[in-house]
Amino acid sequence: DAKTTQPTSMDCAEGRAANLPCNHSTISGNEYVYWYRQIHSQGPQYIIHGLKNNETNEMASLIITEDRKSSTLILPHATLRDTAVYYCIVRAAGGYQKVTFGIGTKLQVIP
Amino acid sequence: DAGVIQSPRHEVTEMGQEVTLRCKPISGHNSLFWYRQTMMRGLELLIYFNNNVPIDDSGMPEDRFSAKMPNASFSTLKIQPSEPRDSAVYFCASSFLNRGDNYGYTFGSGTRLTVV
Repeated sequence: DAKTTQPTSMDCAEGRAANLPCNHSTISGNEYVYWYRQIHSQGPQYIIHGLKNNETNEMASLIITEDRKSSTLILPHATLRDTAVYYCIVRAAGGYQKVTFGIGTKLQVIP
Repeated sequence: DAGVIQSPRHEVTEMGQEVTLRCKPISGHNSLFWYRQTMMRGLELLIYFNNNVPIDDSGMPEDRFSAKMPNASFSTLKIQPSEPRDSAVYFCASSFLNRGDNYGYTFGSGTRLTVV
């Protein structure tokens, strides 16, 4: 069963912020939210993860709602190279858990 | 680190032939995953190894598929005999999984398999 729900596709103008939403209403207390992206013909690439606090790294920011039922990945200044499929997954820390990647969101950055 | 290395990048084979895909995980990672990606089914987990031991092979489609990890730096996925429906991109990923960890997975560039 899918643990996350994402829009199938989104467009974003180059240079603008891309905000990618993800719903995970059944998330458990010990599950983290992870984001990956897959650029055409490449393997998925880890972007960022978080538990309940907002997180930021050199690639993106992750905003998690207070009830943890949804989150938003923010690419602050989207470039054409950010065109990719973005996957939101939830996974517990501490060992193995089967991870389902789902369909993800196809982000198209438009010049 | 060179990342997760997969070979070959592309493989074209005839139906019925044996195919072997190879993976070198990142040094120090204790977990290795084989995934398959198709347009119809997306990314599917085939098998998971921890410390070179297969832990979850519930995603392996059938007996024609087998995977081994003889040591911490090498794994193979074998298909024998291959069929056209096996055509897909096969990804290998590695990570460090342990109690309390929260590391992401590092994926290789994949092997695009075409069975004709």
